[in-house]
Amino acid sequence: QKEVEQDPGPLSVPEGAIVSLNCTYSNSAFQYFMWYRQYSRKGPELLMYTYSSGNKEDGRFTAQVDKSSKYISLFIRDSQPSDSATYLCAMGNYGQNFVFGPGTRLSVLP
Amino acid sequence: DTAVSQTPKYLVTQMGNDKSIKCEQNLGHDTMYWYKQDSKKFLKIMFSYNNKELIINETVPNRFSPKSPDKAHLNLHINSLELGDSAVYFCASSQLKGAGRLLNTEAFFGQGTRLTVV
Repeated sequence: QKEVEQDPGPLSVPEGAIVSLNCTYSNSAFQYFMWYRQYSRKGPELLMYTYSSGNKEDGRFTAQVDKSSKYISLFIRDSQPSDSATYLCAMGNYGQNFVFGPGTRLSVLP
Repeated sequence: DTAVSQTPKYLVTQMGNDKSIKCEQNLGHDTMYWYKQDSKKFLKIMFSYNNKELIINETVPNRFSPKSPDKAHLNLHINSLELGDSAVYFCASSQLKGAGRLLNTEAFFGQGTRLTVV
């Protein structure tokens, strides 16, 4: 089993839809969880950063962590064509380099 | 102003050659990284480096070596290039938080260097 798994997509949704992106992981010691957005031919940029379980909201984006299920989610409300990108989850522990998922490619159609 | 910049953006070279990729950050961060993103989009760390510690991912061949002339620069040298080295290489930087081991949360990434070995 890979340490971090993520459905690669592609996921296509109409503009305005609520998008749900997910990752599962196998290492129960992970405490830090991040979501990065990567536009085509660009480097990843940090979207959300959470510690341990719970929810975090930032504008149209909500990150959820369920450590009991080893499952994290990123929700995008009122999705826009500009949200079309690959979304990478990353996770790990303090003082250690993080492990990235392979990313989910999202297309938001106008 | 670009926070983390890499050159070149594209690099095509023959097997067996030696090449370098340069990286500069103007964020004042004390820690820099090199990542490799393969054709399946997996992003894997190769090196973490600040002026105190170099951490090498044990899976990285010793043909790859980081060189840091100062804390704003971390270049990647690759000797005897192989076909399997073809990938996108990303430089990143972050500010070390707290004492102890390097930490790559809130890393800022460059635009990547697409290396093709033929």
